[in-house]
Amino acid sequence: QKEVEQNSGPLSVPEGAIASLNCTYSDRGSQSFFWYRQYSGKSPELIMSIYSNGDKEDGRFTAQLNKASQYVSLLIRDSQPSDSATYLCAVYAGKSTFGDGTTLTVKP
Amino acid sequence: EAGVVQSPRYKIIEKKQPVAFWCNPISGHNTLYWYLQNLGQGPELLIRYENEEAVDDSQLPKDRFSAERLKGVDSTLKIQPAELGDSAVYLCASSPTSGTEAFFGQGTRLTVV
Repeated sequence: QKEVEQNSGPLSVPEGAIASLNCTYSDRGSQSFFWYRQYSGKSPELIMSIYSNGDKEDGRFTAQLNKASQYVSLLIRDSQPSDSATYLCAVYAGKSTFGDGTTLTVKP
Repeated sequence: EAGVVQSPRYKIIEKKQPVAFWCNPISGHNTLYWYLQNLGQGPELLIRYENEEAVDDSQLPKDRFSAERLKGVDSTLKIQPAELGDSAVYLCASSPTSGTEAFFGQGTRLTVV
């Protein structure tokens, strides 16, 4: 079992819809959680960080953390074609571990 | 504020040759990471520095890979000799401290032929 697992894609949603990306982690001592966006051929770009249980909103993005369930998610509201990318979940538990990403396609 | 700068962007070398990558982190960031990313996979940590000290190098293949971070700022990652399986994107990232947001450089795409 991988330390950080993301739902296998690809995920396709129509423009304007809500995209939901999920991530589970195995280390209960994990302290910090991050979502990165990676366009094809580019390096990862930080979107959101979350450190405590609950929701954190930033514009169209909402990160949700549930430490009891070892689960972190990213919701993208009003999805746009420019949101089409691979989304990487990263978890810090003394070291940073990334999932393999979920590829999102937003169709006009 | 300048971001993380890496060079070169691309490198093609023959197997068994040496290669080096350079990284300049964001000013004031104490933590520096080197990651390796294969196509379709997430970044995998090679080494993490806190200032000039390598605090996690457990995933660094020490028989052929080496790294240094002189004066706790710039860092160099070296491979000698390179193997075909080393073809990947090498990413450098920095953060203010461990466990906080990390920012990535543009990466170096290495092709070993």
